[in-house]
Amino acid sequence: KAGVTQTPRYLIKTRGQQVTLSCSPISGHRSVSWYQQTPGQGLQFLFEYFSETQRNKGNFPGRFSGRQFSNSRSEMNVSTLELGDSALYLCASGLSGAPRRYFGPGTRLTVT
Amino acid sequence: SQQGEEDPQALSIQEGENATMNCSYKTSINNLQWYRQNSGRGLVHLILIRSNEREKHSGRLRVTLDTSKKSSSLLITASRAADTASYFCATGPVSVGTSYGKLTFGQGTILTVHP
Repeated sequence: KAGVTQTPRYLIKTRGQQVTLSCSPISGHRSVSWYQQTPGQGLQFLFEYFSETQRNKGNFPGRFSGRQFSNSRSEMNVSTLELGDSALYLCASGLSGAPRRYFGPGTRLTVT
Repeated sequence: SQQGEEDPQALSIQEGENATMNCSYKTSINNLQWYRQNSGRGLVHLILIRSNEREKHSGRLRVTLDTSKKSSSLLITASRAADTASYFCATGPVSVGTSYGKLTFGQGTILTVHP
């Protein structure tokens, strides 16, 4: 099976812009989670989707949003970008009822 | 917020030596996982230990769990240069329903193995 894929891999945006990141989970995985990784805060949970429904949300402002499609692919959107949003955004998928997560390679977002 | 602390923050050893990393967590768990990350890339699952287990082995990896102390350790035996990476412990909520998607990670240990 193909692994979790994320596009784009690298992105440079300007403050105030918005960005959409995409994640395709492993075939058959209906749970998709997003994480933000920064040197200062480490790995932080953003949100989780399961069967097109948001199941959990981390402690991030409303500028961060996401959605999941019927084929389990997920997107996350960040509006009104700030310099502090520069980070590696990781997507992870998994089977329902199984704790193991499979991570994608991440999208490196740089906000200038 | 981070679930707990990992120590050491950085560990530098020679090939062939053993590496031990520790993780502490704050809340009740039903399992604890360890992941590896190579230089800013995606995380790779290494091993999972359930709350009713005390020790688990997988190849050169040995994980222990002490739920009374809310701590876990990861031992990598006979380290290789290819083991150079960051290692994270991760826990999930106890009441998970049908999904385990929300993981809380430790700060990680940066392991450097010198050839």
